[in-house]
This record gives sequence, C-alpha cells and structure tokens, in this order.
Amino acid sequence: AAGVIQSPRHLIKEKRETATLKCYPIPRHDTVYWYQQGPGQDPQFLISFYEKMQSDKGSIPDRFSAQQFSDYHSELNMSSLELGDSALYFCASSLGGELAGGEQFFGPGTRLTVL
Amino acid sequence: GESVGLHLPTLSVQEGDNSIINCAYSNSASDYFIWYKQESGKGPQFIIDIRSNMDKRQGQRVTVLLNKTVKHLSLQIAATQPGDSAVYFCAEISGGSNYKLTFGKGTLLTVNP
Repeated sequence: AAGVIQSPRHLIKEKRETATLKCYPIPRHDTVYWYQQGPGQDPQFLISFYEKMQSDKGSIPDRFSAQQFSDYHSELNMSSLELGDSALYFCASSLGGELAGGEQFFGPGTRLTVL
Repeated sequence: GESVGLHLPTLSVQEGDNSIINCAYSNSASDYFIWYKQESGKGPQFIIDIRSNMDKRQGQRVTVLLNKTVKHLSLQIAATQPGDSAVYFCAEISGGSNYKLTFGKGTLLTVNP
C-alpha cells in the first residue's frame, strides 16, 4: 500500500540558508500535518492543512511557512535557518471528516541538519 | 499549558514478559488518545487508539486502558518480543483542534532476548 512520501530524506544546510521539505500524502488523503521532532524529544505539531487550506497552527516559527497544493502535496519552507532547527520533520496525512480526524499516517521524515 | 507526559522514560523487559507503559495527561477535555510506536529512523506508527467514552480497548497483543478519573493511560503489550523494542508515545487529540496530535514524552522499551 502506498505510504506518505517525504523528500528529501536528509538535508544539510548552513545557518541563515533556506530549505524546502516536501510531503506527498497517501492517495485520497486530503489532510496533511507537519511535526518537528528534536533529538530525544517528542514530535511537536507545527501546522496542518485540510483541502488546501490551513486548518491549524502550532509552534511554527514565523521563519517557516507551508502550503498545500491542488494535488494535496505539501511543502514546508524554512528560511533563515538556525542551529536549533536541526531536527526530524515528519509529515502525516489522514482522510479528513472522519471521527477524530481518522488515523494519521506518518512519513519516514526528513532529517535536517543545520551547520 | 496542556500536556501529555509519561512516567517512565525507559523500560527494559525480558522476551516473553508483559510490558506496561504509562502515560498521564492533563487536558480533561481530550476525547481521543492514541499510542504510537517509533523505531529508530522511522516515523511514528499507529498501534491502538481509544476514545474517552471507553475505558479499555484490545488489539492484537496490545491493550490500552484509560482512567479518566486520574487522567491516566496505559499500554499493555503481551508476550513482548524483540521486535517490540522502540520508543512508545501516547498522544491526545484535543477536542475541536482540527485533530492535531499532542504527543507525550516517549518511553524507550528494550526487550532482552
């Protein structure tokens, strides 16, 4: 069965550079969530989209922005990168409208390292 | 703010034993709870969920118990196997929050052969 696809899987950037992370949800899933997981930490919700509209916002820095496109894939844009942005970034997708949002399926994550 | 947390950061068990992983939550309005398993280098994987109108739910080798009185959640794994070794997170979905997950601190489960 198709799963959530994230690219790239690994990314190394310098401070103050920009990065773009991509997420391709499971086919027919219309809801995408982004989470950030620091080393040894639990995942923290950043932002979510339902039917291409932002549905919720968490602890996402102003330097970050995201959007969901017409084909439901999503991109997380990160600017002015800081050392503290080094983390695993997970995308999850679900079928919106179901009770409690339905099960969220997580992608393998993008490991971002800021040097 | 509201949070979900775990009592024990690590748990080591022998293969074949039963494992119990605990979680405390503070948001009494939470209406949906999920346990996730995360293996090294991978994304969280759904294990089992429970809604607030239930106090127990069973899956294959796993059972989740919910005690709303003390805001406590537990995951029981029967006949633990080496493949169960991973970090386990409890997560809550806050009512009306568009289904974002609030994760608790993970517990590292190590299964010794």
